[in-house]
Parts: sequence; structure tokens; C-alpha cells
Amino acid sequence: AQTVTQSQPEMSVQEAETVTLSCTYDTSENNYYLFWYKQPPSRQMILVIRQEAYKQQNATENRFSVNFQKAAKSFSLKISDSQLGDTAMYFCAFMKHAPRDDKIIFGKGTRLHILP
Amino acid sequence: GAVVSQHPSRVICKSGTSVKIECRSLDFQATTMFWYRQFPKQSLMLMATSNEGSKATYEQGVEKDKFLINHASLTLSTLTVTSAHPEDSSFYICSARATSGGTDEQYFGPGTRLTVT
Repeated sequence: AQTVTQSQPEMSVQEAETVTLSCTYDTSENNYYLFWYKQPPSRQMILVIRQEAYKQQNATENRFSVNFQKAAKSFSLKISDSQLGDTAMYFCAFMKHAPRDDKIIFGKGTRLHILP
Repeated sequence: GAVVSQHPSRVICKSGTSVKIECRSLDFQATTMFWYRQFPKQSLMLMATSNEGSKATYEQGVEKDKFLINHASLTLSTLTVTSAHPEDSSFYICSARATSGGTDEQYFGPGTRLTVT
């Protein structure tokens, strides 16, 4: 069974600083997807970034980038130039690349506070 | 991006009654939809996978007779909480998988807050 572990329940950083959220996972699969989702106070789940396991290049989306270490099963999220609107719960997630088994498994989340 | 809606956004019901929550994919067809439950300050817990035209697949520990899921069309799945009790009070989120046009994404609805009194 797949598991996703986020070891930082809560973090706070000053606005404009860079922050890194940690995530490790466990799987015996070779082909899979990894995600970071943001859940602001509205509770709408928002996809921040997605990484396909077969791609060695780390995914980036504007101020958001990941450090994907497949051998170490590590998938951290770096937020650069953090903004007040980045305050939210962040979930790391895993999904097998299997048409009939595409459920997403979420970590427990990291609550991120961006301080003015 | 694709849009998934949920209705209602909030519902309060009395203990012992049933309540239905709808999940719709507004601009794409979804052969697979997922239902999650989220308690305050916790992660999303997958309850079941709903496939259009077939029975839902429930996760271990989820009572299928209590949480009835119907996926009657490619754009609509419903979750009915039967004989609701206060412990069923939670935030319910659906997601829909879009696979057409070379894409493979899951899009989340805005959630439904259920309060059972």
C-alpha cells in the first residue's frame, strides 16, 4: 500500500521569504504521479504542482517548484517570494499511473502561515 | 481549468433523516468521480470511487449501505447519507477525473458542509 508522510504539521514564515515543505512517500510502483494541493480557508482544493515519476526534471509553476528525489522517495515543495495569499493547508499526494486504480492518496497536510 | 460543482454547499439535517449531495462536472465528462470526507484540521479521506454505470467501490471501513453513491451519468454523481447521525457531520468533497483530449487530471468540487443535529 502507498503512504504519504508530511512531517511538518505547521509552519510560519515572513512574507517574501522562501519556504520548503517536506513530503516523503512509500510505494513499490515505478510509474506514478505526485502532487501538491493547496487548501485555503475556503476549503477549495487547488492543484499547485504535479510531477510525473518518469520525468527527472523537477516541475515548476511560477513561484512554486519541487525537489523530486525518486530514489529517496522524497517530494518537497519550495515556495519562493511567499505571499500572504499562500497561507493555506498544503497536501502532498500520490496517485498510481493505473487507469483502474487512480485514487489519490493524501498526506496529513502542513498548515502554512505567511506572516506580514 | 475544468469546473466541478457541488450542491448544496451547506446542509443541516435532523438525526435520522437522509441527505443527498450532488457532484457535477460542468464542462467535461467524468467516467470516474471520487468522494472524500474531511474532518476539521485533518486530511481528505477517500470514501469511495464512483464509476459511471456501475457500482461504487468503497474504501475499507466505509459503510456502503449508509453512504449510497450513484453515478447515473457522465456528469453527475450523488452521495446520499442515509439515517444521518451527528457523527456524520463533516465536510464532503467530490472530485472528477477528466481524461479526454490527452489530459488526465482530477478536479475537485468546492465541498459540502453537512451538520446533523
